[in-house]
Amino acid sequence: EPEVTQTPSHQVTQMGQEVILRCVPISNHLYFYWYRQILGQKVEFLVSFYNNEISEKSEIFDDQFSVERPDGSNFTLKIRSTKLEDSAMYFCASSMTGATNEKLFFGSGTQLSVL
Amino acid sequence: GNSVTQMEGPVTLSEEAFLTINCTYTATGYPSLFWYVQYPGEGLQLLLKATKADDKGSNKGFEATYRKETTSFHLEKGSVQVSDSAVYFCALREIGNEKLTFGTGTRLTIIP
Repeated sequence: EPEVTQTPSHQVTQMGQEVILRCVPISNHLYFYWYRQILGQKVEFLVSFYNNEISEKSEIFDDQFSVERPDGSNFTLKIRSTKLEDSAMYFCASSMTGATNEKLFFGSGTQLSVL
Repeated sequence: GNSVTQMEGPVTLSEEAFLTINCTYTATGYPSLFWYVQYPGEGLQLLLKATKADDKGSNKGFEATYRKETTSFHLEKGSVQVSDSAVYFCALREIGNEKLTFGTGTRLTIIP
């Protein structure tokens, strides 16, 4: 089965630094997502992206966050100035049509640790 | 707003035991319901889904029935195997809404 790949698997950064988390969605998918899970808490939606623009975002996704599809294959999440509370597992996902009952394909996640 | 509440873990069972992981939801409309599973070192994978009331989703011996009257979508399996050890996530998605709303996940460990 096709896979979503995420790099790196672990990222350690200092508070205030910028980080970019990278994802390669499945090649013929059109909808892209970022979710995160803080340790011990729920998996939370951050943002969805379609047709080169954000289609929906949560209240978590403030001005410190941005997403980009720079080259038609990668999908990145940038955090401009990391805070301690940004420490979490970040999951990228993609889907073909964005339909409500369609399955999302998730990557294995990037564990971000902000020190 | 929408929310999903699922059974706290971790859950430890012996091989061939019966499994139930409870999941209840709150939604303003008529959501689709999902169970996702995360095996060690892997991403979340769709296990099963149901899109309307009384639908039963099934896969790999797991089943869950969309119960509108009790707003529940409990996951069951009659006889678990060691290979079922994973974290299980209940989730919902409403029509016209991009996001999946997840529960906290339940870690299941099956011992031989």
